Amino acid sequence: AQSVTQLGSHVSVSEGALVLLRCNYSSSVPPYLFWYVQYPNQGLQLLLKYTSAATLVKGINGFEAEFKKSETSFHLTKPSAHMSDAAEYFCAVSDPGGFKTIFGAGTRLFVKA
Amino acid sequence: NAGVTQTPKFQVLKTGQSMTLQCAQDMNHNSMYWYRQDPGMGLRLIYYSASEGTTDKGEVPNGYNVSRLNKREFSLRLESAAPSQTSVYFCASSDFLSGGRKSGANVLTFGAGSRLTVL
Repeated sequence: AQSVTQLGSHVSVSEGALVLLRCNYSSSVPPYLFWYVQYPNQGLQLLLKYTSAATLVKGINGFEAEFKKSETSFHLTKPSAHMSDAAEYFCAVSDPGGFKTIFGAGTRLFVKA
Repeated sequence: NAGVTQTPKFQVLKTGQSMTLQCAQDMNHNSMYWYRQDPGMGLRLIYYSASEGTTDKGEVPNGYNVSRLNKREFSLRLESAAPSQTSVYFCASSDFLSGGRKSGANVLTFGAGSRLTVL
């Protein structure tokens, strides 16, 4: 069975500071991994995905994530936070052949001026 | 570009009442999904339809039924609503299955959500 653990339900950073949102996964097969973002009163939208090509994946809005198999991690980073980055972020895992995507509990990012 | 459209956006029900959430997508995707979102639990898959004419259970199917009406539409029905079904419901679609084959990663496109309260 697959699972995702996001460390920290809330993260607060100052504008211009580094953003680091942590995600660890469990999977019995080489996984596909995703980060989705949810802005208030909206559905989720894809930030980036890992599909076993390059381990460092770049997404939209300056976000990137690195797949580390030895640590079973897929942490999301952004060098400099913007006020507009305030949202909830979800890490997710699926197996390459499956329709089911398993989501983590989410991390709400607050950005202080 | 409408993408994935869900109706209604808000609904309040009394325990035991029934209702149907409607979902339609205009992206010609083969696969459609229903998720529920609860605080601290992320999104959990209720049912999905890999292609027109098929439906399968997800993690939390109890108390729900679905109908894949055609390629565009996928509805979720609560036959006898319970307070535990108070949640935000999201419909999603993907083009993971194309030409009868799975390709790439299963990237989901979500609707804006439907907030359901059961009293």
